[in-house]
Amino acid sequence: QKEVEQDPGPLSVPEGAIVSLNCTYSNSAFQYFMWYRQYSRKGPELLMYTYSSGNKEDGRFTAQVDKSSKYISLFIRDSQPSDSATYLCAMSITGANSKLTFGKGITLSVRP
Amino acid sequence: DAGITQSPRHKVTETGTPVTLRCHQTENHRYMYWYRQDPGHGLRLIHYSYGVKDTDKGEVSDGYSVSRSKTEDFLLTLESATSSQTSVYFCAIRPDRGKKLFFGSGTQLSVL
Repeated sequence: QKEVEQDPGPLSVPEGAIVSLNCTYSNSAFQYFMWYRQYSRKGPELLMYTYSSGNKEDGRFTAQVDKSSKYISLFIRDSQPSDSATYLCAMSITGANSKLTFGKGITLSVRP
Repeated sequence: DAGITQSPRHKVTETGTPVTLRCHQTENHRYMYWYRQDPGHGLRLIHYSYGVKDTDKGEVSDGYSVSRSKTEDFLLTLESATSSQTSVYFCAIRPDRGKKLFFGSGTQLSVL
């Protein structure tokens, strides 16, 4: 079992839809949870950053962490064509030299 | 891209030749990383550095070496390029505190 599993997609939705992206993980020591967005031919950019459990909201984006289920989600409300990108989840344990473990990413297309 | 410059942006080379990719940062961060990104595999860590002359291997380090003689520069060398090393290579930096990675724009490498 891979440490981090992400739905492979791709995912296509109409403009204005609510999008739910998910990752599951197996390492209960993960404490830091992130979502990155990557546009075509660009580097990943940090979208959401959460420590431990709970929700975090930033505009149309909400990140949720459920450590009891080892499950994280990213919700996008009122999706826009500009949200079309690949979304990667990432997580890490504590420790100065600990490294991020990434999901493989899911490509989202928002149709006008 | 968060004060990170990767060079070159594109490179085509022949099998068996050495290749060096450069990552330059202006943020004075201690941690620097090299990833490769391939379809179906996502982001995979090649090598990372936690200070000048302090480096360690990632999950796909075979055939790669790194050097960090200055805080701002992290070099990735393919000692004898193979076609399996055709990929997009990303450099990332991380502040001392927290786990947020900031990525460069990437280098598209083709080994013919």
